[in-house]
Amino acid sequence: EPEVTQTPSHQVTQMGQEVILRCVPISNHLYFYWYRQILGQKVEFLVSFYNNEISEKSEIFDDQFSVERPDGSNFTLKIRSTKLEDSAMYFCASSVGRTVNTGELFFGEGSRLTVL
Amino acid sequence: LAKTTQPISMDSYEGQEVNITCSHNNIATNDYITWYQQFPSQGPRFIIQGYKTKVTNEVASLFIPADRKSSTLSLPRVSLSDTAVYYCLVGGAFSGGYNKLIFGAGTRLAVHP
Repeated sequence: EPEVTQTPSHQVTQMGQEVILRCVPISNHLYFYWYRQILGQKVEFLVSFYNNEISEKSEIFDDQFSVERPDGSNFTLKIRSTKLEDSAMYFCASSVGRTVNTGELFFGEGSRLTVL
Repeated sequence: LAKTTQPISMDSYEGQEVNITCSHNNIATNDYITWYQQFPSQGPRFIIQGYKTKVTNEVASLFIPADRKSSTLSLPRVSLSDTAVYYCLVGGAFSGGYNKLIFGAGTRLAVHP
């Protein structure tokens, strides 16, 4: 069964460092997403991406964050200068079409980011 | 996006049927209702989606009354492995350009032996 894969599974970094989280979405999917979940809290939407550009982003997704699809398979989330409050599990997801009534989102297993 | 309200937690025992109800009074005409499941330290996983009446798959059933202001996820004969957080989400792909899912707090289901 096709799946979304994420690397690394866990990354520890120092405050102020840049972090890149990587995702390989399911190959025939067209929409890509990043969500995050702070420990014990709900899953929060960060950004959606389609046709090589951001289609929607939340207020969490400020100038410290960026996304890129550098090639035909990878989808990355970059945090330029990490803060303590960026510590969370980051989930990548992809879907064939737009969400909800055109099909489900497939989530990866997540990348746990710990900022010290 | 329609706001959803669901119980914070539920407890059940192995072999029982579990029904989790979600209220979505402000659901729009073109909104669908989707349920996801999340195990600890894993990404959410799609369970079922519906628009009206009843939908059934190999995992669960989804009951939606005629007014669509609520929905009930039914898990038949739960096992310990069904212990998870269950999220009810409401939205439409083409109403206002939504192309994201907004998760609420979900319902934490604990299945006991």
